[in-house]
Amino acid sequence: DTGVSQDPRHKITKRGQNVTFRCDPISEHNRLYWYRQTLGQGPEFLTYFQNEAQLEKSRLLSDRFSAERPKGSFSTLEIQRTEQGDSAMYLCASSHGQGGGNTIYFGEGSWLTVV
Amino acid sequence: TQLLEQSPQFLSIQEGENLTVYCNSSSVFSSLQWYRQEPGEGPVLLVTVVTGGEVKKLKRLTFQFGDARKDSSLHITAAQPGDTGLYLCAGFNGGYNKLIFGAGTRLAVHP
Repeated sequence: DTGVSQDPRHKITKRGQNVTFRCDPISEHNRLYWYRQTLGQGPEFLTYFQNEAQLEKSRLLSDRFSAERPKGSFSTLEIQRTEQGDSAMYLCASSHGQGGGNTIYFGEGSWLTVV
Repeated sequence: TQLLEQSPQFLSIQEGENLTVYCNSSSVFSSLQWYRQEPGEGPVLLVTVVTGGEVKKLKRLTFQFGDARKDSSLHITAAQPGDTGLYLCAGFNGGYNKLIFGAGTRLAVHP
């Protein structure tokens, strides 16, 4: 399968613990996006990378959240000192080039439950 | 701030019925996209509409982009249980840097 791959698919953690999600985009896609989706809502933009550069971060991305894409390929999203409000599905997506005419492909998501 | 409002939020119908869901905004979008998402999965792109007034068909699904490019609709003919899912509309912000999503319409088609 050559689609966007996310790992782990599900994570249950205790409040206060750190968690890290990994995303492998479609090969040669230079743009990578992170979104968060809670029940009953559409995905909300968190951040995006153009190659290894993080070009925009949403206000939703508090100081406890950090995303990296060190070599312009895979990306990680770390949440430190998790809170129950962090429980959501974290979606990764990638595209070749800028939006508009370029399709954004989404992964299957990583479900986080903070207990 | 560009916002997309979808209606209805929920729709429960019997197999064979027709339905229409709507996506509205006070802002102009250069294009709108429709995604379908199944529980526990990521959104899958169905179609992109670009030109005001454009109509696109995908089997039993008909998508229309409003003339002013502020709204769109999705019409499903003879719905089937396999159409069950969350239908999301989305549009790019002005800088084409990110997709902005509506909250979605959750459709349930019962046999």
